[in-house]
Amino acid sequence: AQKVTQAQTEISVVEKEDVTLDCVYETRDTTYYLFWYKQPPSGELVFLIRRNSFDEQNEISGRYSWNFQKSTSSFNFTITASQVVDSAVYFCALSGPSPYKLSFGAGTTVTVRA
Amino acid sequence: EAGVTQFPSHSVIEKGQTVTLRCDPISGHDNLYWYRRVMGKEIKFLLHFVKESKQDESGMPNNRFLAERTGGTYSTLKVQPAELEDSGVYFCASSQDGVVAETLETQYFGPGTRLLVL
Repeated sequence: AQKVTQAQTEISVVEKEDVTLDCVYETRDTTYYLFWYKQPPSGELVFLIRRNSFDEQNEISGRYSWNFQKSTSSFNFTITASQVVDSAVYFCALSGPSPYKLSFGAGTTVTVRA
Repeated sequence: EAGVTQFPSHSVIEKGQTVTLRCDPISGHDNLYWYRRVMGKEIKFLLHFVKESKQDESGMPNNRFLAERTGGTYSTLKVQPAELEDSGVYFCASSQDGVVAETLETQYFGPGTRLLVL
């Protein structure tokens, strides 16, 4: 069985602060895929990043960065210098090899105050 | 390129009525998924189509839910008869099924249909 845990329910920060979202996963698959999605107030799920289990390189995209550590089964997400537009619910998700259905964490609500 | 679209965006029905949700995937995407998030719960997988075939329907809660994907294009999810516990947001996602690793199996989601059963 696959499980994703996002222990932080809500995080509130002031603009320009950094915020890190934790994601811990459980899986018995040796090949798996990790994802982060953003759900802004408008409701759609926006794809942010996908990571394959065999690629542990960390990644940076603008103000976003991701830290993948297989040793601790974690895939954490950091927003640097947060902005009000970063306010959203962020979901971490996991899929195994085919058929690729996603298992989601409960989501972390990030509120960035001006 | 158009994204995944879902119709309607909102639906309010009474218990016992029937509702049909529609999803149009990204053009060329063979894989189509349905998920739902009921109030206070996590987003849960319902089923997966590959073209017109049901690949995995292990997440369908009961036989009041019927999903179809005629011709391998758009999909419908019918709830008949609707119950109070069916209220929630129903998401559709689609993904490619090809040989390009970077795009393989990344699911792109639609805006969801918010269903309220009274």
